[in-house]
Amino acid sequence: GIQVEQSPPDLILQEGANSTLRCNFSDSVNNLQWFHQNPWGQLINLFYIPSGTKQNGRLSATTVATERYSLLYISSSQTTDSGVYFCAVLNYGGATNKLIFGTGTLLAVQP
Amino acid sequence: DTGVSQNPRHKITKRGQNVTFRCDPISEHNRLYWYRQTLGQGPEFLTYFQNEAQLEKSRLLSDRFSAERPKGSFSTLEIQRTEQGDSAMYLCASSPRGQGSYEQYFGPGTRLTVT
Repeated sequence: GIQVEQSPPDLILQEGANSTLRCNFSDSVNNLQWFHQNPWGQLINLFYIPSGTKQNGRLSATTVATERYSLLYISSSQTTDSGVYFCAVLNYGGATNKLIFGTGTLLAVQP
Repeated sequence: DTGVSQNPRHKITKRGQNVTFRCDPISEHNRLYWYRQTLGQGPEFLTYFQNEAQLEKSRLLSDRFSAERPKGSFSTLEIQRTEQGDSAMYLCASSPRGQGSYEQYFGPGTRLTVT
């Protein structure tokens, strides 16, 4: 099955700093999503981005499907950005609809 | 449009008891998924419904687990004879019908603790 690796595993930032999170996947995918999991466990959709670049406020994401990676950019980080960021992929060409999650990046933004 | 809802949010049970969780997907989403997340890990897929049909089950879903979606709307996940290893967050997600609309939206989860 598809393998998903995220880096770095942990990241500590000062408020206002920028960061880049990376997601590598081992096979072609039809769906790639970035999530933020808050301290209460809720997975919040950030981006649905199987290819290309999208921006939403201080966050942006780029997926290069041919090279099998995606990047999540966080600019001017705030303490509310703290939590775990997951990348998840899906290849429904294999007759499956399950998302396969990476192990996540734990982000702590300090004031 | 309300999001995915799950009940209960928390459940504490003794080993050997049966538990049942409910998931209400976003209205008109015909695809529904269950995932399980243990501490420090990403969510892992358990099962998938399209309308009322259960189309895919993970090997993680042992014989003690059963899921239903009887009318193609809400779904239930039952665990019989719970074990301490079942302690986890159980997440439900839904996605809309139609080709190319595979974005999944997650509920707040049910946190199960087996004592």
